[in-house]
Amino acid sequence: EDQVTQSPEALRLQEGESSSLNCSYTVSGLRGLFWYRQDPGKGPEFLFTLYSAGEEKEKERLKATLTKKESFLHITAPKPEDSATYLCAVQEWSGAGSYQLTFGKGTKLSVIP
Amino acid sequence: NAGVTQTPKFQVLKTGQSMTLQCAQDMNHNSMYWYRQDPGMGLRLIYYSASEGTTDKGEVPNGYNVSRLNKREFSLRLESAAPSQTSVYFCATTEREGTQYFGPGTRLTVL
Repeated sequence: EDQVTQSPEALRLQEGESSSLNCSYTVSGLRGLFWYRQDPGKGPEFLFTLYSAGEEKEKERLKATLTKKESFLHITAPKPEDSATYLCAVQEWSGAGSYQLTFGKGTKLSVIP
Repeated sequence: NAGVTQTPKFQVLKTGQSMTLQCAQDMNHNSMYWYRQDPGMGLRLIYYSASEGTTDKGEVPNGYNVSRLNKREFSLRLESAAPSQTSVYFCATTEREGTQYFGPGTRLTVL
C-alpha cells in the first residue's frame, strides 16, 4: 500500500479556472509534508513545507493546506506557466540524522490558454 | 552559487558497462541523497548519506554503490549496468530542517 497517494494523476484546466490537487498520506508520525514543482527535463523545485494540521502557506497563485490525513494544493486563477507536475512528499520522525522523504507519483497539471 | 550540480547530464551505456554519476553541492549541507525517477513510479530513494563518512541503503539499492567523498560530493556507481537501470537519476541535499534541494538530473539509458 502506498504511503503517499496523489490525485488526480492529470488535470487540465482553462486559464483562470481554479482547482485543487490532493495528497493523502498514511504515515503514523508526520514530521513534515512537502510540495514540489517539476518542469519537464528538470529536477523538483521546492514550494512549501507544512508541519501541523491546520497550517497553510501561500505563494503567488498557490496555497497549500494540511489536515491529519491529507494536504491540498489550491491553484487560484492559474496561468499557462503554472503547467508542471506537482509532487507531494512526507517525512516521518526517525533516527537522528535521517530526513528521508517518501514521494507520491505526482499530478500533471496542464493550463490551457 | 550553483546549488546542486550533477554530471553527466545524459549517458548511454551498453549492458554490463560501468559508470559513476557525480553530484556536488555548495550549500554546506550535511545530508545527501540519490533517487531514481521512472514513469508511473515516482521518485524512489536509492542511497543516502546522513553526514560525511556515513552511507545507508534506501528503498531500491540493488545494483548500485555510493561514495561520500567529502562533505560536498556524493557519487553513485553502477558496476554492471542493466536495462532495468534506465532512468533519470537525481541527487538532493538537505540541512537539518529537512527540506531537500534537487539537482538537474542525469538521464541514463542502458541498451
